[in-house]
Amino acid sequence: SAVISQKPSRDICQRGTSLTIQCQVDSQVTMMFWYRQQPGQSLTLIATANQGSEATYESGFVIDKFPISRPNLTFSTLTVSNMSPEDSSIYLCSVIRGNTDTQYFGPGTRLTVL
Amino acid sequence: QKEVEQNSGPLSVPEGAIASLNCTYSDRGSQSFFWYRQYSGKSPELIMSIYSNGDKEDGRFTAQLNKASQYVSLLIRDSQPSDSATYLCAVSSVMRFGAGTRLTVKP
Repeated sequence: SAVISQKPSRDICQRGTSLTIQCQVDSQVTMMFWYRQQPGQSLTLIATANQGSEATYESGFVIDKFPISRPNLTFSTLTVSNMSPEDSSIYLCSVIRGNTDTQYFGPGTRLTVL
Repeated sequence: QKEVEQNSGPLSVPEGAIASLNCTYSDRGSQSFFWYRQYSGKSPELIMSIYSNGDKEDGRFTAQLNKASQYVSLLIRDSQPSDSATYLCAVSSVMRFGAGTRLTVKP
């Protein structure tokens, strides 16, 4: 498995502001993903973070709202832009290492938007 | 039809019993299947992966896969209170998660 850290672990933000979440892995990984988990719900894939190119977004998620960067093989950021209370959720990064397709999850960022 | 469906739960079993969790999926081309456990307030952690039809055992956990019927299940033998969590079924390649089944093991 990989050691994955996320910053911040939690935050409370005001409506209309933006928050950038960082995901750091202890070694190079093949793929990185961002998920959202709303209260009492399962995980929903937001996008695949591609190293050196634009992220691949799932249906219902757009770059203007959730810009993603992945400057190298161990780091990615997700920004939640122009937040509203509906964005209150846990945001999780996950990684795949090597030639497997097993995903390992970071500890998550709990976001509350007032 | 949802891509990955799990029995809705919640599921309650007495300590020492077998807990059975089921999952069906819609994409016949899926090749990889995973079970994750998620404790309240924590991120999902991998329990098992399974790729071939049949059973795969790891300690008290057994995953079963039937691609013809498009279902995958997880059996937990000798259930312990520490097994109380939400169990998520996931189907690759672009991983889709089921809604999860909340399991409670009563001492």
